[in-house]
This record gives sequence, structure tokens and C-alpha cells, in this order.
Amino acid sequence: DAGVIQSPRHEVTEMGQEVTLRCKPISGHDYLFWYRQTMMRGLELLIYFNNNVPIDDSGMPEDRFSAKMPNASFSTLKIQPSEPRDSAVYFCASSFSAGRSGELFFGEGSRLTVL
Amino acid sequence: AQSVAQPEDQVNVAEGNPLTVKCTYSVSGNPYLFWYVQYPNRGLQFLLKYITGDNLVKGSYGFEAEFNKSQTSFHLKKPSALVSDSALYFCAVRAGANNLFFGTGTRLTVIP
Repeated sequence: DAGVIQSPRHEVTEMGQEVTLRCKPISGHDYLFWYRQTMMRGLELLIYFNNNVPIDDSGMPEDRFSAKMPNASFSTLKIQPSEPRDSAVYFCASSFSAGRSGELFFGEGSRLTVL
Repeated sequence: AQSVAQPEDQVNVAEGNPLTVKCTYSVSGNPYLFWYVQYPNRGLQFLLKYITGDNLVKGSYGFEAEFNKSQTSFHLKKPSALVSDSALYFCAVRAGANNLFFGTGTRLTVIP
């Protein structure tokens, strides 16, 4: 398996623009997570899905952020409008619930810079 | 609420010396504990986990971790550090049905 695939790896945009980050989880995994990593706040869970259904979005900073999972092999995290404080590395991770051991598999991340 | 704490932002160790990266936890019920490693510009990689059983857990790249219930600790260890072990290490605890709460991370630098 190719692992969790994220795109783009790097995104530079201007304040006010819409940003869409994409994630393809590992085939067969039924959980998908979006994390954000910054120097100041470390790793923060934004939202996670189980069987394509959002379970907990309490970590989403504000209404400018939205996430979807239209099918088992694809998810998006959208920021509209973007702001400089959204600059961070965004990670997608997936896991398989059988056994409930909770091991997550991470993608390489999408580094977002908002100017 | 489940949480972990990593008391050291930075750990420096000489190559060939044993290393320890500390983690303490706070959970209700049985803890599911994890260690992940992050190399520069990469995603997090799973090292090892404690679910139940032996208190000494062995993982990837020669790392091991010791679960200590009385001290609520789960320290990461390696008998002999390599320069290539230099990275950011995260302790994590299962915080819900299947998600993880991560500590703030400890940067390990192995000095040649």
C-alpha cells in the first residue's frame, strides 16, 4: 500500500483565498483524522471521521474551516477565507478500528503558508 | 480526560550512550499508550504501543518503552543512541473511540 497520500505538499497563498487540502487514506481503513501542527500549539486534532461520517469536529478552529469525506478513499479540508494564522502543517491520518488498538498512519503533511 | 505530558522540550545525548525520553499520562481506565517519531519535513511514524501485558514494550529501530502504572509513566528508551535517532518524539494516549491525544513533543539530538 502507498500509505496515506496528501496533496499538495506545499501551498503558498494570499490572505482571503480559499485553500483545499486533500487526503487519500490507506485502503480499508475506516477512520480518518485531520491534525494541524504549529510550533506554538503542537499537534491539534481538528476533526475525525468514521466510515465517512464526521464524529468529532470540536477541534475545528472556526467556521472558516470545513472538512468532507464523500467516500472511503477521499477527504478534503477547506479553509475559506484563509488567514495568516492558518499557516501550519496539516496532517491527515487513517486507522483501522478492528482491535481498537488505535495505531494511526500519517501522511507526509501539507505545509500551508498564508501571506 | 485523557492526556499525556512530555516534561522535556529537548534531550541531548552522546552517540552510543543510552537515551530516555520521558512521558507521563493521565487516564481514566486502562491506558492505551503510543510513541511516534517525526523526522524533518515528514509525517509521524509509529514506534511502539502499550495496550496490555508486559510492562516493557519493544518497538521499531531498537526502541523500547517501559510502562509504569504506579508512576503513571511511559518512558521511551534505547540502549545505544545513533545520530540518525535525532528527531522529534511524541507520546500519545488513546483519547476516544479511536483518536489519539499527543504530547507536545521532545526534540532528541544525538551528538556524534
